[in-house]
Amino acid sequence: KNEVEQSPQNLTAQEGEFITINCSYSVGISALHWLQQHPGGGIVSLFMLSSGKKKHGRLIATINIQEKHSSLHITASHPRDSAVYICAGDRGSNYKLTFGKGTLLTVNP
Amino acid sequence: GAGVSQSPRYKVAKRGQDVALRCDPISGHVSLFWYQQALGQGPEFLTYFQNEAQLDKSGLPSDRFFAERPEGSVSTLKIQRTQQEDSAVYLCASSSSWLSYEQYFGPGTRLTVT
Repeated sequence: KNEVEQSPQNLTAQEGEFITINCSYSVGISALHWLQQHPGGGIVSLFMLSSGKKKHGRLIATINIQEKHSSLHITASHPRDSAVYICAGDRGSNYKLTFGKGTLLTVNP
Repeated sequence: GAGVSQSPRYKVAKRGQDVALRCDPISGHVSLFWYQQALGQGPEFLTYFQNEAQLDKSGLPSDRFFAERPEGSVSTLKIQRTQQEDSAVYLCASSSSWLSYEQYFGPGTRLTVT
C-alpha cells in the first residue's frame, strides 16, 4: 500500500463547479503538502498542512489528523485550474516528501 | 527574480550512454532536491543537498546515479550507462532553508533512453 493515496485519479468538471480532491496517508506522516503541476512539468507548492484548514483565494485545504485524510477544494472552478494536483506526505524531515500519483483535473468552459 | 532552471529540458540518449542533468537553484537557496517522475506517476525523491553536503541519497535507484553540488549552488545529476527504465522527468527543487517547507521546482528535464 502506498504511503500517500489520492482520489480520484481523473476528474472532469464544468466551469463554476465545486471541486474536491482527496488524499489519504499512512501513520508517521506529520504534514501534508498540496502541489499543482501544469503540463510541461512546472510544479507549484500550494499548501502545507499539519492541522486544520488553510485558504488561498479559491483554494481550500483541510486535514483530519485522526482520520489521516486531507482534502483540496476549489470553489468556482475555472478552466485555468486544469492541472494535475498532487498531495505529498512529510515525515517531519521537511525534505523527503512521499508523493501521491496525482489527480488530473480538467475544467471545461 | 529567476526561478529554478534546469538544462537541458529534453534529452534523448541511447542505451548505455552517460548523461548529465543540470540544476540552477534560486540564488541563496540552501536546500536542493532531485526527484524522478515516471510517466503518470508522482515524483519520487532521489537525493537532497544542504549547501554542498549531500545529506540523503537514499532515493538514488542504483550506483549508476550520482549527484553533486560542489560549491553549494549548481547541482548536476549524472546517470551512467543509461537504461530504458531511466526514462523519466527529472525534477530539481530548492528551498531557502532546511526549515522551509516550500520547495520551488524547476521545469524538469525529460530524459528518453532509446
